[in-house]
Amino acid sequence: QVTLKESGPGILQPSQTLSLTCSFSGFSLSSSGLGVGWIRQPSGKGLEWLANIWWDDDKRYNPALKSRLTISKDTSSNQVFLTIASVDTADTATYYCVGTAPWFAYWGQGTLVTVSA
Amino acid sequence: DIVLTQSPASLVVSLGQRATISCRASLSVSTSNYGYMHWYQQKPGQPPKLLIKYASNLESGVPARFSGSGSGTDFTLNIHPVEEEDTATYYCQHSWEIPYTFGGGTKLEIK
Repeated sequence: QVTLKESGPGILQPSQTLSLTCSFSGFSLSSSGLGVGWIRQPSGKGLEWLANIWWDDDKRYNPALKSRLTISKDTSSNQVFLTIASVDTADTATYYCVGTAPWFAYWGQGTLVTVSA
Repeated sequence: DIVLTQSPASLVVSLGQRATISCRASLSVSTSNYGYMHWYQQKPGQPPKLLIKYASNLESGVPARFSGSGSGTDFTLNIHPVEEEDTATYYCQHSWEIPYTFGGGTKLEIK
């Protein structure tokens, strides 16, 4: 059974760096073809794909945010990390950890991140 | 970026009838073998759930009343017969290129 769980700071201030962690089980990111990504959704709005990392450490980013995003993984601990630099209020959203690409069969429950002064 | 335009934005369908949701891509997202379009259902307070992958392939555990079709730039999600539990917002998503993008969503209400 595949499970993913996101963790984050809950609230942070503009200009700070957002750090998110995805802890997953039921598969290994050392397995060929598998990947984990991040998708966000502002309250009451649509879905925006942010980034993906694959078993071979290939990383892909949404060009609209690429300069601010960094995705990484720790295969031994079954975790994937996402940082978003210089956040502002537009980054307020529920952030989902998802597996695997290019379709997303597995989703975490999401973690709400609020950017507020 | 590939823009996915869903229509309608919302619809009301009678119990037992058919719901049809359209997703149009700004450029072709299919080859001769595969349509790189996927469909999700999202209920309030829950993450999206994958229904259909590669345009027409039903995800394991999804009821057979859901079906997908289409190719090129035009894709369709059908639900027949609709049940009360199908009340949700439905999204299409392409995987043709980076960035993956989603349609704006279609809110389905059952009456």
